[in-house]
Amino acid sequence: QSVLTQPPSVSGAPGQRVTISCTGSSSNIGAGYDVHWYQQLPGTAPKLLIYGNSNRPSGVPDRFSGSKSGTSASLAITGLQAEDEADYYCQSYDSSLSGSNVFGGGTKLTVL
Amino acid sequence: EVQLVQSGAEVKKPGESLKISCKGSAYIFTNYWIGWVRQMPGKGLEWMGIIYPGDSDTRYSPSFQGQVTISADKSISTAYLQWSSLKASDTAMYYCARYQGGPVAGNDYWGQGTLVTVSS
Repeated sequence: QSVLTQPPSVSGAPGQRVTISCTGSSSNIGAGYDVHWYQQLPGTAPKLLIYGNSNRPSGVPDRFSGSKSGTSASLAITGLQAEDEADYYCQSYDSSLSGSNVFGGGTKLTVL
Repeated sequence: EVQLVQSGAEVKKPGESLKISCKGSAYIFTNYWIGWVRQMPGKGLEWMGIIYPGDSDTRYSPSFQGQVTISADKSISTAYLQWSSLKASDTAMYYCARYQGGPVAGNDYWGQGTLVTVSS
């Protein structure tokens, strides 16, 4: 069981909007620690998609956005494209685990 | 361009030792934390631990404490992940990743991964 909870899968048609949730607790997201999101395409290393809850690294399309509220965070993808089909992971810091980072279990996005 | 280049795939037997590496380039290696992440076949990402090469401050996930050792040699800009006695359950892809800032920051650069296979 992951410390951060994500839905195992989401899907959407090209052009649609999807959201992926990441639910934590008072020792991680709820404690005010930032949430970061990663995209992992099949057979490749993860790629930073959103950092500091809502910031996009250079080169990441503005179709991707992040938000955080309370003990949860969300990743939204608008204008879905076939190339967005991938696994998505959230990450945060957890003060109850000796200063460990924690990942969500991952969400498989299928573009229909 | 910032790069993290990991050592190549390994095939080992249970009980053997192993040390894999992650070499950073095009940035000041001692100024950024480096983390290690495990991904077992068909599974998600698991955070293992981090090291600050500047002073070798090292932190481990409780799940991996005592199971692996993280180290760094700042003279050659390289971080390491090692096992003293491998188990079949250590079979996985292992990634190193640079932290943008401190341990609460995101991982902006990742290595290509090192596949470790442990089988008798």
